[in-house]
Amino acid sequence: IAGITQAPTSQILAAGRRMTLRCTQDMRHNAMYWYRQDLGLGLRLIHYSNTAGTTGKGEVPDGYSVSRANTDDFPLTLASAVPSQTSVYFCASSEGTSGDHNEQFFGPGTRLTVL
Amino acid sequence: GNSVTQMEGPVTLSEEAFLTINCTYTATGYPSLFWYVQYPGEGLQLLLKATKADDKGSNKGFEATYRKETTSFHLEKGSVQVSDSAVYFCALNPSGGYQKVTFGIGTKLQVIP
Repeated sequence: IAGITQAPTSQILAAGRRMTLRCTQDMRHNAMYWYRQDLGLGLRLIHYSNTAGTTGKGEVPDGYSVSRANTDDFPLTLASAVPSQTSVYFCASSEGTSGDHNEQFFGPGTRLTVL
Repeated sequence: GNSVTQMEGPVTLSEEAFLTINCTYTATGYPSLFWYVQYPGEGLQLLLKATKADDKGSNKGFEATYRKETTSFHLEKGSVQVSDSAVYFCALNPSGGYQKVTFGIGTKLQVIP
């Protein structure tokens, strides 16, 4: 069982380019999340999806978009990358969203550098 | 709103020392509480959890007790090892459906031989 996979592992991107970070889970979890991790700021939620076909904005959604066409996949797109989007991005999933059903399973992360 | 407070560190300990990482929270109702660990170059993984007051979560020698009267969930381990060097995140999930997990800033632990 792979759990959550993310691709690419790392990427260097020119400012202004479009980029999609991929995330796939094989646990049939209902909810999925995208976080960014920055030194001194901890984890910040970008976007989330409670179930397939629905998405919502997190704490720092500007400059990012997501889609949830099916249960397994939750891609994150940067339409026009800027240097402030340099970060480590983590995808996560959970069985549900309430109580201890919200135990989150994390992917290995994507390290993105925007120049 | 909901919040989780923990020191950023780094916390540096010698091998076999006693560890305490403090975590306090603000939330309405009865949230579930979690500790996650992030080893270098990896994603976060659940270390332990507690879902109601006075519950004690434990795993790999780590323990934390859900204290509602002090709104705390401090992480402890009696004897740390070099392999415990990691970043530790305290987190809460509010009660009720469609809630978002709130993470603390993370505490970096360095254990030296």
